[in-house]
Amino acid sequence: AAGVIQSPRHLIKEKRETATLKCYPIPRHDTVYWYQQGPGQDPQFLISFYEKMQSDKGSIPDRFSAQQFSDYHSELNMSSLELGDSALYFCASSRPSSHEQYFGPGTRLTVT
Amino acid sequence: GQQVMQIPQYQHVQEGEDFTTYCNSSTTLSNIQWYKQRPGGHPVFLIQLVKSGEVKKQKRLTFQFGEAKKNSSLHITATQTTDVGTYFCAGRAIFGNEKLTFGTGTRLTIIP
Repeated sequence: AAGVIQSPRHLIKEKRETATLKCYPIPRHDTVYWYQQGPGQDPQFLISFYEKMQSDKGSIPDRFSAQQFSDYHSELNMSSLELGDSALYFCASSRPSSHEQYFGPGTRLTVT
Repeated sequence: GQQVMQIPQYQHVQEGEDFTTYCNSSTTLSNIQWYKQRPGGHPVFLIQLVKSGEVKKQKRLTFQFGEAKKNSSLHITATQTTDVGTYFCAGRAIFGNEKLTFGTGTRLTIIP
């Protein structure tokens, strides 16, 4: 079965640089969620999109922005990167009228 | 804001022993989900509970939702090495937005 695809899987950036993370949800899933997970921490909700519109917002810094495109893929744009942004970034998707979230393999971002 | 705590934070058990993790929310939940995250992996959806007092079983796993819909538990009978990982509960508040708040997680290790 198709799963959520995230790219890149690993990313190394320097402080103050920008990064773009991509997420391709499972086909026919209409909602995309972004999470940030620090080492030994639980996933922290950042933002979600339903049918290409932002549906909810969590603890996403102002330096980050995200959007969902017409083909339902989503991108998380991160600017002015800080050392504290180093984490695993998960994208998850869910199908219509379901709260079950299917997570992608994550993007490990390292800021040096 | 909504907080979801889990205890214990860590649990080491001998293979074959039982394991239980408890989840408590600061607010009443519309539903609660459980996820398992293997070391180095991504969260995998296990189950969703919706009704007050609901109990669901999946083979050796038993999930329970409290009567007040503010707490939940996961019990594993006769643990196996494949049960290793971190178990997260995740709750959605009964009022307000749709975001999922993850619990702090319980990391289970098995001693063969």
